[in-house]
Amino acid sequence: QVQLVESGGGVVQPGRSLSLSCAASGFTFGSNGIHWVRQAPGKGLQWVALISYDGRHQYYADSVRGRFTISRDNSKNTVYLQLNSLRDEDTAVYYCAKDLMSSLCDYWGQGALVTVSS
Amino acid sequence: SYVLTQPPSVSVAPGQTARITCGGNIIGSKRVHWYQRKPGQAPVLVVYDDSDRPSGIPDQFSGSNSGNTATLTISRVEAGDEADYYCQVWDSSSDHMVFGGGTKLTVL
Repeated sequence: QVQLVESGGGVVQPGRSLSLSCAASGFTFGSNGIHWVRQAPGKGLQWVALISYDGRHQYYADSVRGRFTISRDNSKNTVYLQLNSLRDEDTAVYYCAKDLMSSLCDYWGQGALVTVSS
Repeated sequence: SYVLTQPPSVSVAPGQTARITCGGNIIGSKRVHWYQRKPGQAPVLVVYDDSDRPSGIPDQFSGSNSGNTATLTISRVEAGDEADYYCQVWDSSSDHMVFGGGTKLTVL
């Protein structure tokens, strides 16, 4: 069955960096884009980024463009999210999700908590 | 940027029908998807492409989309359906995924 497992969350000071990983299994990884979506405490879902199936195209929310970088290694069935210049408002649970039809997320991981705090 | 508007909360008695709306400018021209999120769990896709259900999702969940409003309908509501529900579209003009603010469904 499809599985997505996030790792790399933790507590980090404002202005510092953190890297998240999303390990995938149960589907043809190299044929699907992957999204990152986050949920801040008490808030709704917020899309963060999308990487295409081949890694050639990346799309970002305005709030993270220039600070976050999405990448993938199809030989390792893994997608990464590099979070730089972190702010308090980046505190959230970060989910990776499998893309379907370049339009929606049909499977989600359990999430990784990132806390930005001094 | 494209905006989706949902009511913050909807309440319904067990066995009744819940309708959760999602408003957006000419949303009827877009494909709308709906997610259920229960506390402590990952979101689950319950309706995609306005009205289709993924395998394993019961037929009590249905959707429609026309004009400026998309609607998720949950029939025969039970306590286990209490959750936050989010609508979502892909905005091709900005290449952004957009979520509504979410609706908390309470079963009375």
